[in-house]
Amino acid sequence: GDSVTQMEGPVTLSEEAFLTINCTYTATGYPSLFWYVQYPGEGLQLLLKATKADDKGSNKGFEATYRKETTSFHLEKGSVQVSDSAVYFCALSSGTGRRALTFGSGTRLQVQP
Amino acid sequence: DTGVSQNPRHKITKRGQNVTFRCDPISEHNRLYWYRQTLGQGPEFLTYFQNEAQLEKSRLLSDRFSAERPKGSFSTLEIQRTEQGDSAMYLCASSLASGGVGNEQFFGPGTRLTVL
Repeated sequence: GDSVTQMEGPVTLSEEAFLTINCTYTATGYPSLFWYVQYPGEGLQLLLKATKADDKGSNKGFEATYRKETTSFHLEKGSVQVSDSAVYFCALSSGTGRRALTFGSGTRLQVQP
Repeated sequence: DTGVSQNPRHKITKRGQNVTFRCDPISEHNRLYWYRQTLGQGPEFLTYFQNEAQLEKSRLLSDRFSAERPKGSFSTLEIQRTEQGDSAMYLCASSLASGGVGNEQFFGPGTRLTVL
């Protein structure tokens, strides 16, 4: 079945540091890939997505590239801010037509001033 | 529109009791999804509706769980004879049907269930 594996957290960085959160997946067909973010006390929000191989999703300074050859969708940001502190979830929607999202276990990011 | 809403936000119940949660999706969205999230884990899919039709159910949705979306608008999730293992955050999401599998799902704030 479909699965998503994320690096374990928490990830603790200083402000303006470079961020990478690794995400790899196993899926049937050609999935769409997503990063969702959950800020403290808030619901899940879509951060970015990519629907086919080599697509790059980007939003709010975050980027992720859909790499079919390595089955990866790593999240990156060049300079994190304290306000980026949140839990980040990698997810996929299977290429078989299923509508459900399959999520990773989440990575908590803590950015210190 | 204020997004997906869920009620109640918190529910504490005793083992063996029945509970019902409600989800109101974004008004023009015809797909509605239920997920369950336990502490330290990502959400797990339970079921989804397109309009009033329940099109997919996860193996996680035991016989004690039932979901409805009677008029294709709001949805309810009922858990009968609750067990302590049902304690979790129950999330609802909605999306448009067009656009294929890349369609964004918009999530509500969740209902946190605690079974004593």
